[in-house]
Amino acid sequence: GQQVMQIPQYQHVQEGEDFTTYCNSSTTLSNIQWYKQRPGGHPVFLIQLVKSGEVKKQKRLTFQFGEAKKNSSLHITATQTTDVGTYFCAGPSGSNYQLIWGAGTKLIIKP
Amino acid sequence: DAGVIQSPRHEVTEMGQEVTLRCKPISGHDYLFWYRQTMMRGLELLIYFNNNVPIDDSGMPEDRFSAKMPNASFSTLKIQPSEPRDSAVYFCASSASRGGWNSPLHFGNGTRLTVT
Repeated sequence: GQQVMQIPQYQHVQEGEDFTTYCNSSTTLSNIQWYKQRPGGHPVFLIQLVKSGEVKKQKRLTFQFGEAKKNSSLHITATQTTDVGTYFCAGPSGSNYQLIWGAGTKLIIKP
Repeated sequence: DAGVIQSPRHEVTEMGQEVTLRCKPISGHDYLFWYRQTMMRGLELLIYFNNNVPIDDSGMPEDRFSAKMPNASFSTLKIQPSEPRDSAVYFCASSASRGGWNSPLHFGNGTRLTVT
């Protein structure tokens, strides 16, 4: 079945370093969504990408959608403690009103 | 906008007991989703409703799980009887179809269920 693979599972960074998470779909996606879940919290929608090759920025966060619409990335520049959490990508299943979720990448700031 | 409201926030129960989780979606949202999250399996979609009608319940793990949406502002997820392996965080989420297919999901704070 359709899968969305997300790597890495964890990333430990020093505060101020950059962070990147990658998503790859087994099929072409009509769009991809990104969510952030703080520790002990719930997923919160960040952004949706729709167009091939699309790049969107939210302050220090840069989101990209691949040309083939099968992969996406989220890059955080100069991480801060407020960025801690798990970042999920999710894409539509193509067959019903469902999102297929990546496993998430947990951003951990080293003390 | 109060967001998606779930209750209770925490539930601790003994194996064999009935558990009922509650959700109030955002007003005007016509899709409602129940998810389960565990470390081992991540986020799993259990069931979703459109205009109060269950559309896809293929994610419901067993007959012990049931969900209802009697009106546009209320849904329940029931587990009877509960088992320790049901321990997880259960999220309710809603979305509005006016945003197009796969509109962003708005999640509630979740119910952390522990079955002993």
